[in-house]
Amino acid sequence: DIVMTQTPLSLSVTPGQPASISCKSNQSLLYSDGKTYLFWSLQRPGQSPQLLIYEVSSRFSGVPDRFSGSGSGTDFTLKISRVEAEDVGVYYCMQGLHLWTFGQGTKVEI
Amino acid sequence: QVQLVESGGGVVQPGRSLRLSCAASGFAFKSYGMHWVRQAPGKGLEWVAVMSYDGLNKYHADSVKGRFTISRDNSKNTLYLQMNNLRVEDTAVYYCAKALGRGGMDVWGQGTTVTVSS
Repeated sequence: DIVMTQTPLSLSVTPGQPASISCKSNQSLLYSDGKTYLFWSLQRPGQSPQLLIYEVSSRFSGVPDRFSGSGSGTDFTLKISRVEAEDVGVYYCMQGLHLWTFGQGTKVEI
Repeated sequence: QVQLVESGGGVVQPGRSLRLSCAASGFAFKSYGMHWVRQAPGKGLEWVAVMSYDGLNKYHADSVKGRFTISRDNSKNTLYLQMNNLRVEDTAVYYCAKALGRGGMDVWGQGTTVTVSS
């Protein structure tokens, strides 16, 4: 099974400042088609999850450009260039290479 | 707009059954794979099951294999999750989600709550 490990599990941020979340998998998420199946989602308080980033670094439709994803193989990072109040919630990384597994989640609060 | 609406949740005793539904609208349902994902109270997300666009391929998480079955009716734009022999640990909010390409999930429903308790 592919295990996803996020750090930190909680993060207190100041509006306007950057934030970064790490996600590591126990095996490479690179598929034979050349794509890497690593995704980032945000679950705001009381809401359903919403997709932010797909295939490591592609922003989903409507996602502000302050969100960016990077990484390769087994190590990935989600960065928020300037945190806004609406960014609070729990961020999950997820792998879609072999079935699907989520990281534990990182709770971001202001 | 693209919308997924789950229903069928409720309170049920251990060992009983429940069927969840997910009604899709705003997109060509028959062209997309679909997932079920759950979230136990205060916990993270757990993938439960997936079905291909045509219903020919399906996979279930080990935690529900043999007890839960995913299915779909493309004529009704509806995804289902038949849950048998429910356990207390199946208590969760159950979300359906539309597949994005091969690996992701790009649209989520609002969820339906299942509580398994005696």
